[in-house]
Amino acid sequence: GQNIDQPTEMTATEGAIVQINCTYQTSGFNGLFWYQQHAGEAPTFLSYNVLDGLEEKGRFSSFLSRSKGYSYLLLKELQMKDSASYLCAAMDSNYQLIWGAGTKLIIKP
Amino acid sequence: IAGITQAPTSQILAAGRRMTLRCTQDMRHNAMYWYRQDLGLGLRLIHYSNTAGTTGKGEVPDGYSVSRANTDDFPLTLASAVPSQTSVYFCASSAGTSGGTDTQYFGPGTRLTVL
Repeated sequence: GQNIDQPTEMTATEGAIVQINCTYQTSGFNGLFWYQQHAGEAPTFLSYNVLDGLEEKGRFSSFLSRSKGYSYLLLKELQMKDSASYLCAAMDSNYQLIWGAGTKLIIKP
Repeated sequence: IAGITQAPTSQILAAGRRMTLRCTQDMRHNAMYWYRQDLGLGLRLIHYSNTAGTTGKGEVPDGYSVSRANTDDFPLTLASAVPSQTSVYFCASSAGTSGGTDTQYFGPGTRLTVL
């Protein structure tokens, strides 16, 4: 079956760095998405990886290893506004997104 | 430009009632989607539409129907609501021009409670 695994909750300190891991198993693969979702709000797009390697976008970076079925989202210089859930989603061979349950990130001052 | 709008924002519904959740986008996107989000679970696809006039079933379509009469609107109907349909419903859209790997953009959601 198709499956996405990511930690349920993580805690980090303001100004620090945090890495949120995601492993996936899908029927075919057309890329890996990361979304941010603040409580009570809609998910918003952060990044898309389809090739192996690291994509950097400001304070956020996303890494993909297709051979390992693994991705991570790296957040640097954490700010209180980064407190949110981070959703990992893999696109299968039918171009449908398979979503993880999300990682709730708590930032402490 | 509003992007994607959904109505209502929230609704409490008696079991057995019919309900239509509305979704409208103004980005001229070809593809639209309906998801439900439940605590502890990932977003689950209910129905989708790759272009106006076509629809398809997602992972959890039972009890739901959709139509796509034009590019902008993609309503989701619950013919006879049941308590297990209590959830937050998100509508999303994507350009549908990159072979299917386009980014999906989400509406603000509808919080539905079925009693």
